[in-house]
Amino acid sequence: SQQGEEDPQALSIQEGENATMNCSYKTSINNLQWYRQNSGRGLVHLILIRSNEREKHSGRLRVTLDTSKKSSSLLITASRAADTASYFCATANYGQNFVFGPGTRLSVLP
Amino acid sequence: DARVTQTPRHKVTEMGQEVTMRCQPILGHNTVFWYRQTMMQGLELLAYFRNRAPLDDSGMPKDRFSAEMPDATLATLKIQPSEPRDSAVYFCASGLVPSLGAGGMNTGELFFGEGSRLTVL
Repeated sequence: SQQGEEDPQALSIQEGENATMNCSYKTSINNLQWYRQNSGRGLVHLILIRSNEREKHSGRLRVTLDTSKKSSSLLITASRAADTASYFCATANYGQNFVFGPGTRLSVLP
Repeated sequence: DARVTQTPRHKVTEMGQEVTMRCQPILGHNTVFWYRQTMMQGLELLAYFRNRAPLDDSGMPKDRFSAEMPDATLATLKIQPSEPRDSAVYFCASGLVPSLGAGGMNTGELFFGEGSRLTVL
């Protein structure tokens, strides 16, 4: 069964706007990671946040983690057309398997 | 520029035929994952290996699928016989993942190949 569940399933915004995606999971985790997948390509790692961290930044990306609610959010600021992709969260439990959610399809309109 | 290499990129075959997909993980990575991606099911974990030993293949239909790592530079996923419902994109990913005894706090990122798109007619 899938551990992470992203929300919303699809998101359409205008260039320059911010995009927020959420991820919920069920069991305890070691860390949570976000990946991006462009159409027809493999997944690419974006950012990792450990279970003892609450917020992390990388360029235009901001990730938060709330272990009490078992949820995480990914914020992309000042979105660009090139950000159009599917975004997945993945949970890792103490070096065991990585489980991916169904993903959020983001469309950034020029 | 280290990357995970998958072959073939595209495969069209007829039902009943054997299909073998290959993956060359990044040198030095100790863990290899096989995922299957479809529109309906999303990304499903089929199997994964650590230090070439299979750790979990519970997501894989055992009657027709098999996964092996004959050496550190090659992972294979075989389907025999193939069926139309096996049509999907199959991804291999590798990473450097510590064992439980190492504290588990440094579980790193996964590096994905570009996938093998399989169509079974």
